[in-house]
Amino acid sequence: KAGVTQTPRYLIKTRGQQVTLSCSPISGHRSVSWYQQTPGQGLQFLFEYFSETQRNKGNFPGRFSGRQFSNSRSEMNVSTLELGDSALYLCASSLNLGLASGANVLTFGAGSRLTVL
Amino acid sequence: AQKITQTQPGMFVQEKEAVTLDCTYDTSDQSYGLFWYKQPSSGEMIFLIYQGSYDEQNATEGRYSLNFQKARKSANLVISASQLGDSAMYFCAMRSSNSGYALNFGKGTSLLVTP
Repeated sequence: KAGVTQTPRYLIKTRGQQVTLSCSPISGHRSVSWYQQTPGQGLQFLFEYFSETQRNKGNFPGRFSGRQFSNSRSEMNVSTLELGDSALYLCASSLNLGLASGANVLTFGAGSRLTVL
Repeated sequence: AQKITQTQPGMFVQEKEAVTLDCTYDTSDQSYGLFWYKQPSSGEMIFLIYQGSYDEQNATEGRYSLNFQKARKSANLVISASQLGDSAMYFCAMRSSNSGYALNFGKGTSLLVTP
């Protein structure tokens, strides 16, 4: 079955612009999470959505937002881009929320690499 | 607060040898999950192995095994019979109710497999 699909894979923006990234989870997966990866900060949790509701949020400013649609697809938006937003943005999907043993492992997409100039 | 520590920024191993990547964690939760992911240069995070805090047996998945020592709060990844394709970044991560089930990652270990 198809994996987690993220689009676009690469994009370049300038400071002050906004960007929208898209994530299509594995069919049947209801939870979608977003992570930011930078060389300095490593992998940091942004937010998690389940049944179109944000269930958990990391420590990021309000410029970072997201949503989930009824088909479980998710988008994240970053407004008023700053140079420090340059990163690999990873989307992951899982069957459900919570730990629920190894059956609820997060499967990641290939990421969207954002460069802010 | 949860913390994942990977003390080896980089490791070398010869092809066909075994290698151990270290991971220690800190949590006050009783129920948690430990994960290892591999990230090749392409960027995608690939799930390798999972260990639940209540699992009594060490997890194994093919050439990967997890050396889980709960009292010492360590969850080392052992890769047996290394292959050139194993060269990548390896991340240890933990998930628990305290983090709202978000994955909390270590800084990673870069593994290079040499011929």
